[in-house]
Parts: sequence; C-alpha cells; structure tokens
Amino acid sequence: GAVVSQHPSWVICKSGTSVKIECRSLDFQATTMFWYRQFPKQSLMLMATSNEGSKATYEQGVEKDKFLINHASLTLSTLTVTSAHPEDSSFYICSARTPDRGRNEAFFGQGTRLTVV
Amino acid sequence: DAKTTQPTSMDCAEGRAANLPCNHSTISGNEYVYWYRQIHSQGPQYIIHGLKNNETNEMASLIITEDRKSSTLILPHATLRDTAVYYCIVSKTDKLIFGTGTRLQVFP
Repeated sequence: GAVVSQHPSWVICKSGTSVKIECRSLDFQATTMFWYRQFPKQSLMLMATSNEGSKATYEQGVEKDKFLINHASLTLSTLTVTSAHPEDSSFYICSARTPDRGRNEAFFGQGTRLTVV
Repeated sequence: DAKTTQPTSMDCAEGRAANLPCNHSTISGNEYVYWYRQIHSQGPQYIIHGLKNNETNEMASLIITEDRKSSTLILPHATLRDTAVYYCIVSKTDKLIFGTGTRLQVFP
C-alpha cells in the first residue's frame, strides 16, 4: 500500500534554533500534502496544506513565518519550525493522498515528536 | 465541512463486536464519511469511508443511516490491538479536520 514517511521520528532542539521535518511519499506522487500538530491528549489540528510548486495554504491562527513549508517535488514536503520555543514542542504529522486507482484514503506519516528545551 | 459528534470513550471485550457511533446531522450531499484511528504515538490509520451505502472491508464495516445524519463503525471481532482513538470525519475535499474522537479500550 501507499506509504508516507517522516524524518526524523523525534528531535530535541534548543530554544531559538530552527528544525526541519521531512515528509516523503515513498511510492506515489502527491501534489498536495497536509501538516498537522497534536498536543498531548488532544486531537490533530490541521496547520497547513502544502501544494507542490506553489505557496502553502495556512489555517487560521497558524503563523506562516513561524512554520515554513516547502513542497519542491511531488514526493517531498518539508516543515521548518523557525526560532523554536518550548511551546512549539508537539507531535507533528503529515499526510498525503494517492490519486491512484480512485482510492480516497489519506496516508499519514508516523509523526515527528519535537521537544524544544 | 460538517461537524461530527462522537462519544468520548467506549469499552469492548476482546472478541466481541465494537460499535462506534458518530452523529453528523449537518452533512451535505457530497460529503463523505471517513473513519480513521490513531494508536498511541503513531500517525492515524485509514479504516474505511462511504458516501451513502454501507461499506465493508477487511478491517471494518460502515453503516450509514438512510438520512446520512449518523453512522456506525463496526469492528466485528475486537482485539487488544484495536485499542485506539477512532475519528469520524466528514469531508468533501482532500482536507480532513479531526474532532475529538472516541477512545476505544478493548479489554481481555
């Protein structure tokens, strides 16, 4: 089946530094990917829609200068958390849909746990 | 996208059927009903989806009422590995908005 992979699985960084998270669709091309954030004991919150070759679309309340999204190819989207602070510590998850065979399900990466110290 | 309402938590004995309800009374005609689940500290996993007909796959069955205002996900023989948070999502686009879901605890 279709696979979406995230890297790294977990990262610890110092406050004020930037962290890049990669999301790859391994066996299909994804013109659109989605980035979510999940705090402990809460649901997934959609942050932005990543569009290949164009600017990302951010959900209300999500700072686009804080969370930089780049979707330079049909198999890779990256999320960069700039000038990270402890409140940015969270579980970040990406997803993509395969257009193959009329399937309609979204595939999710395994998530990246970010801890800012 | 239509809002969904699910019970916060449910228990189910191992080997029994787990029936998870979802209300989506404001669903529109072109919105699909999707079910995903999330096992602790992992990304969500697709289970099943439907528009108006009942659906079945190797994981579960989806029963959608005739007026489409509610649905039920059925796991026919729950196992301990089915313990997870189950999300019912209604959407007509690629974008999936997650609600709070139902925490299903399967016990021995």
